[in-house]
Amino acid sequence: SQKIEQNSEALNIQEGKTATLTCNYTNYSPAYLQWYRQDPGRGPVFLLLIRENEKEKRKERLKVTFDTTLKQSLFHITASQPADSATYLCALSNSGYALNFGKGTSLLVTP
Amino acid sequence: DAGVIQSPRHEVTEMGQEVTLRCKPISGHNSLFWYRQTMMRGLELLIYFNNNVPIDDSGMPEDRFSAKMPNASFSTLKIQPSEPRDSAVYFCASRPGQGSTDTQYFGPGTRLTVL
Repeated sequence: SQKIEQNSEALNIQEGKTATLTCNYTNYSPAYLQWYRQDPGRGPVFLLLIRENEKEKRKERLKVTFDTTLKQSLFHITASQPADSATYLCALSNSGYALNFGKGTSLLVTP
Repeated sequence: DAGVIQSPRHEVTEMGQEVTLRCKPISGHNSLFWYRQTMMRGLELLIYFNNNVPIDDSGMPEDRFSAKMPNASFSTLKIQPSEPRDSAVYFCASRPGQGSTDTQYFGPGTRLTVL
């Protein structure tokens, strides 16, 4: 069966450090993968999309890698801030139409 | 643009009652999605419309759930009869085009509690 797995345990880091979140998938052959941020009581918000041939993509303090051999994406936040505290979801699709989401990893950045 | 609009934001009902959730997608978006989120199962895709036509409803849990999109600016998700296990946050999302490379824009969600 298709699975998208993210660390279920919350990640606690100190302000200024780099946060790294992992997304692993099985039985997908995605051409692209997306990352979303979700704050409590709100819907997910799109952050980044990475294509299979891009390997790495950056946006300000965010960096995403995509390894289709390992079937894994890593999501990095450098110089983390308390405002980065949220749940981060990865999403991908086999069909090219609808996205399926992982359960998300909660990140807490403490001052 | 106001973004995706959902109503009500909160709904508390008793088991056996009919529940209707409403969604207004972003104007001009061609695709609309209904998701359900729980702690146990995460964010699950229920049904997906493209140009008002249901494309994939394989995620709809059972016949008690139905969704319609009578026009490009309105969709409903109905649960009849509702059960306590339907308690969750229901999200509607819209997308400009058909491809999954397009960003999905989520509404604020409807928190449903079935007693």
